[in-house]
Amino acid sequence: EVQLVESGGGLVQPGGSLRLSCAASGFNFGSHVMHWVRQAPGKGLVWVSRISHDATTISYADSVRGRFTISRDNAKNTLYLQMTSLRTEDTALYYCVRDSVWSFDYWGQGILVTVSS
Amino acid sequence: QSALTQPRSVSGSPGQSVTISCTGTASDIGAYDYVTWYQHHPGKAPKFLISDVNKRPPGVPVRFSGSKSGNTASLTISGLQAEDEADYYCCSYAGSASWVFGGGTKVTVL
Repeated sequence: EVQLVESGGGLVQPGGSLRLSCAASGFNFGSHVMHWVRQAPGKGLVWVSRISHDATTISYADSVRGRFTISRDNAKNTLYLQMTSLRTEDTALYYCVRDSVWSFDYWGQGILVTVSS
Repeated sequence: QSALTQPRSVSGSPGQSVTISCTGTASDIGAYDYVTWYQHHPGKAPKFLISDVNKRPPGVPVRFSGSKSGNTASLTISGLQAEDEADYYCCSYAGSASWVFGGGTKVTVL
């Protein structure tokens, strides 16, 4: 069974940093592209970032480029999102998502990040 | 990238059909056949419903179908059931390894 479990969320002040992790199991993690998608309270889903299976190709949404860094450790079956210079508008539920040929086929339960003073 | 445009809500009685539209641009929906749809019950993980405009992954009921014309994609739920009450999101590949979602549509079963 495919499982994606996010961790590392919490309350942080504006300008602060946080690192999210996503532990993957039940599939060959090192063969899949992975994404982060977020959902602000009461709002819709927004794509955040993508990393290729071997981390050679990475892309970001304009709203986070230069502040967020996606990475992965295939030996540990773990995806990361390092978030810096956080803003109140980054407050959201962050989902770890598996890619299957341009589709998001499995999603984690999400982890809440709250940016507030 | 601006979000794709979806109606905020649609509703129907059990057994009826409802269609959710998703309007983009020539740079996303109009350019690629990589339109996907997701069902989201609040508090749960989103569920993958449709890939590549109109393909159903294994296990997705046949009452869910997708289509596309020009810059607009659509999701139709035929034979609406109570458990279909949820939020639905479209998504399109937008080039340069980026994706854009719709704002979401709340489906209410009357």
